[in-house]
Amino acid sequence: EVQLVESGGGLVKPGGSLRLSCAASGFTFSSYSMNWVRQAPGKGLEWVSSISSSSSYIYYADSVKGRFTISRDNAKNSLYLQMNSLRAEDTAVYYCARDPPGSPRYYFDYWGQGTLVTVSS
Amino acid sequence: QSALTQPASVSGSPGQSITISCTGTSSDVGGYNYVSWYQQHPGKAPKLMIYEVSNRPSGVPDRFSGSKSGNTASLTISGLQAEDEADYYCSSYTSSSPVVFGGGTKLTVL
Repeated sequence: EVQLVESGGGLVKPGGSLRLSCAASGFTFSSYSMNWVRQAPGKGLEWVSSISSSSSYIYYADSVKGRFTISRDNAKNSLYLQMNSLRAEDTAVYYCARDPPGSPRYYFDYWGQGTLVTVSS
Repeated sequence: QSALTQPASVSGSPGQSITISCTGTSSDVGGYNYVSWYQQHPGKAPKLMIYEVSNRPSGVPDRFSGSKSGNTASLTISGLQAEDEADYYCSSYTSSSPVVFGGGTKLTVL
């Protein structure tokens, strides 16, 4: 069974940093592109960042470019999101989501349960 | 990148059919067959319901169907059931970014 479990969320002050993790199991992690998608409280979904299976291709939304860094460790079956210079508008639930086989196909077939990041003084 | 346009809410009675639209441009919905739909119940993670315009993942009831005409994609739910009440989001590949989502539609089953 495919499982994605996010962790690392919490309360952080504006300008602060946070590192999110996503532990993957139930599939060959190193063969799949992975993503972060966020959802502000009461709002819609926003794609944040994508990373290919071997980390060769990395993409960011304009709203986080230069502040967030996506990475992965295939030996540890883990995906990460380093978030720096955090702003109030980064407050959201952050989901880890898997690309389907044969990527890029531009949709997400499995999602984690999410981790809440709150940026507030 | 601007979000795709969805109606804020739709409603229907059990057994009826409803359609949720998702309007974009020729740079996203209209230009590629990479439209997908997600269902999200309150407090839960999104669930993939339709991919590549009209394909259903294994386990998704055939009451759910997708289509596209020009710059507008649609999700149709037939034989509406109480458990279909949820938020629905469309998404598409775009020429300026890998993925853009719609603003979401709240489906109420009366």
